[in-house]
Amino acid sequence: EPEVTQTPSHQVTQMGQEVILRCVPISNHLYFYWYRQILGQKVEFLVSFYNNEISEKSEIFDDQFSVERPDGSNFTLKIRSTKLEDSAMYFCASRGTGNYGYTFGSGTRLTVV
Amino acid sequence: RKEVEQDPGPFNVPEGATVAFNCTYSNSASQSFFWYRQDCRKEPKLLMSVYSSGNEDGRFTAQLNRASQYISLLIRDSKLSDSATYLCVVNSGGSTLGRLYFGRGTQLTVWP
Repeated sequence: EPEVTQTPSHQVTQMGQEVILRCVPISNHLYFYWYRQILGQKVEFLVSFYNNEISEKSEIFDDQFSVERPDGSNFTLKIRSTKLEDSAMYFCASRGTGNYGYTFGSGTRLTVV
Repeated sequence: RKEVEQDPGPFNVPEGATVAFNCTYSNSASQSFFWYRQDCRKEPKLLMSVYSSGNEDGRFTAQLNRASQYISLLIRDSKLSDSATYLCVVNSGGSTLGRLYFGRGTQLTVWP
């Protein structure tokens, strides 16, 4: 079964440092997303990406966040200057055409210290 | 405003029991509805999409009532492996590209 791959599985970083979370979506999918889940809370939308541009972003996705699809396969989330409250599980997801559910990657656990 | 609200649970049931989860959503323009399951510290995994006509997948039955903005999931003959958190998920409406809104989830524990 095709899957969404995320690396690293766990990242520890110091407050103020930049982090890049990486994702390889399913190869024939066209829509890409980042979600996050703070421990004990619900999954929250960050950003959607289609046709090489952001199609929607949430209020969480401020100027500290950016996304990029640098080549045909990778989809990255960059946090420029991490804060303690950025500690969360970050999930990448992708979706093909049609009204189907999204496929989520196994996540990157980001810990900001 | 809470976009998606679910039974908080937790539900603790014996093997073989039938258990039902409920969910309501606030955006009447929503077009896509799903149940996901999430194991502890893992990613959400699609359990099933939910259609207006209701749909069944083995022991799982999902129902959607658009007029009441209500979604349900019924699990029959519960197995130990059904223990997980069940997430009610709704898209934002207007387009199937729209963001997904997740409920907080309902925790299910099936005991032997």
